Amino acid sequence: GQQVMQIPQYQHVQEGEDFTTYCNSSTTLSNIQWYKQRPGGHPVFLIQLVKSGEVKKQKRLTFQFGEAKKNSSLHITATQTTDVGTYFCAGKSGGSNYKLTFGKGTLLTVNP
Amino acid sequence: NAGVTQTPKFQVLKTGQSMTLQCAQDMNHNSMYWYRQDPGMGLRLIYYSASEGTTDKGEVPNGYNVSRLNKREFSLRLESAAPSQTSVYFCASSEYMLIRGNEKLFFGSGTQLSVL
Repeated sequence: GQQVMQIPQYQHVQEGEDFTTYCNSSTTLSNIQWYKQRPGGHPVFLIQLVKSGEVKKQKRLTFQFGEAKKNSSLHITATQTTDVGTYFCAGKSGGSNYKLTFGKGTLLTVNP
Repeated sequence: NAGVTQTPKFQVLKTGQSMTLQCAQDMNHNSMYWYRQDPGMGLRLIYYSASEGTTDKGEVPNGYNVSRLNKREFSLRLESAAPSQTSVYFCASSEYMLIRGNEKLFFGSGTQLSVL
């Protein structure tokens, strides 16, 4: 079945440093979503990417979808303590309409 | 708007006990889901309901049953709880999962369940 691998599992940075998490799928994806979960909270939708090679920005966050639609990345520039949390990617393959498969997430901690 | 509301927030059960987790959404969404989250495992789909009147199994359905009571409500039942079902359970909804672009998930605040 479809697998979505996410690395790294943990990342600790100093405030102001950059951060990147990567997501790789074993199959071609029709779209990919990113979610953020604050400690003790619930996942909150950040963005959805649909097109091959797509790049989207939200302030200090940059999201990319690979040309082959099998990988994606989230890059945060100049991290802040408010960025702390677990970032999940979730991919949907074209052949199974319901199956949004989540990666295991990357836990980001930021040292002020 | 409240969004997605789950009850209870916390629950402790003994092995073999049964319970129902309640979920309601007020966004007029067609599709609803139940996920469980375990440390290091991400979010795994238990059951989903693409639209009112339909339910289907996800990745980890064993030991669970669901009911889509109406468009707003989707409940998850544990008939005979086991320690392996200790987890955080999230209900979610989306506008309509079968139409591309409408799959953005809105999550409830979760239920922390411990089975002793």
